[in-house]
Amino acid sequence: DAGVTQSPTHLIKTRGQHVTLRCSPISGHKSVSWYQQVLGQGPQFIFQYYEKEERGRGNFPDRFSARQFPNYSSELNVNALLLGDSALYLCASSQWGGSGNTIYFGEGSWLTVV
Amino acid sequence: QQQVKQSPQSLIVQKGGISIINCAYENTAFDYFPWYQQFPGKGPALLIAIRPDVSEKKEGRFTISFNKSAKQFSLHIMDSQPGDSATYFCAARAGGGNKLTFGTGTQLKVEL
Repeated sequence: DAGVTQSPTHLIKTRGQHVTLRCSPISGHKSVSWYQQVLGQGPQFIFQYYEKEERGRGNFPDRFSARQFPNYSSELNVNALLLGDSALYLCASSQWGGSGNTIYFGEGSWLTVV
Repeated sequence: QQQVKQSPQSLIVQKGGISIINCAYENTAFDYFPWYQQFPGKGPALLIAIRPDVSEKKEGRFTISFNKSAKQFSLHIMDSQPGDSATYFCAARAGGGNKLTFGTGTQLKVEL
């Protein structure tokens, strides 16, 4: 069975540009979330979606946006890129509800802003 | 506000030894506590997870111990192997969904 898949795996952008990252959750999972992991730190929560609705947002600027599609895939958009946006962007998927709900991560998209 | 504190930052263990990583939390609404293993250049992989109604959970060489009253939980890796060398993150979640609060990570090195 396919796990959480993310694309692209690596990309380089210039300051001020826009980037779109994509994620396909595990089959049957309806919830997707996005995390930013800066080198040497733990992942930081950005967004959470369930059934195409935003269900939570972390402490990130409005330059960050996301959406979930009817097939439960998701994309993360970042506008006006800054050097500090360079990080590994992780997508996680899960079922929804219940304290034993297991969360799985993809391999991430490495973004370098120059 | 850091809600999950993890220690130590780095750890060196001899092959066959026991690796112990500790985490403490503040938010009593947390009800799910997973541990993730991350190799360089890879995404976090789920190792083992526990709910607060259980004091210990074991899967193979990995054991989580949970102390609800102290708001602490720990990961024990028995018979540590060089292949276990990675960064380990504890995390916690409140309610359903997949919003996790992560610790700062522990870089484990298992030496021959």
